[in-house]
Amino acid sequence: ETGVTQSPTHLIKTRGQQVTLRCSSQSGHNTVSWYQQALGQGPQFIFQYYREEENGRGNFPPRFSGLQFPNYSSELNVNALELDDSALYLCASSLGGGFMNTEAFFGQGTRLTVV
Amino acid sequence: AQSVTQLGSHVSVSEGALVLLRCNYSSSVPPYLFWYVQYPNQGLQLLLKYTSAATLVKGINGFEAEFKKSETSFHLTKPSAHMSDAAEYFCAVSSKTDSWGKLQFGAGTQVVVTP
Repeated sequence: ETGVTQSPTHLIKTRGQQVTLRCSSQSGHNTVSWYQQALGQGPQFIFQYYREEENGRGNFPPRFSGLQFPNYSSELNVNALELDDSALYLCASSLGGGFMNTEAFFGQGTRLTVV
Repeated sequence: AQSVTQLGSHVSVSEGALVLLRCNYSSSVPPYLFWYVQYPNQGLQLLLKYTSAATLVKGINGFEAEFKKSETSFHLTKPSAHMSDAAEYFCAVSSKTDSWGKLQFGAGTQVVVTP
């Protein structure tokens, strides 16, 4: 049990809709990273939040946006959903300062299906 | 730019046999290196990581990996496979110049263990 929880676990949306995924970070962690894992592929970095500020972004369009709250939980929002957005979305929490001295803990993911 | 290549998308091993999963990286500066395991319908769990200390890294569940700079490799091994080792394994890198630990993953290797 990593302590990182994501909700919902599964979600089906229609193309063009908007979706919000949520992540509660592990106690004491102030950094949250989001990854997209398409079927049969490795996770791809979407963005990272540190103390409520975006701290780096991968190669994803602006319709992917996020928030981090004062309690360090986070949301991933995707607008204008496309079929290719169907994937497992993973949240990872860590203590700021990178992976040299701390470990990132992953949640179980949210499986998004766009139809 | 850095990248990760995992050789072999599927590996089948007999119970009790050696597990060898190959990972090669491409980076101008040797990065931090990681191996993660993913069980069905679950998030990622860290097996081990290399952060420029000892080149032979021991992880959980009997796994270990050796960093070889000359070969730009970080192969994962386990002397004797158990049925519980059936899962997908991901090699990942993180840039040393980016202390915030954004991970770049390989495509993954699915391990099947046969009795």
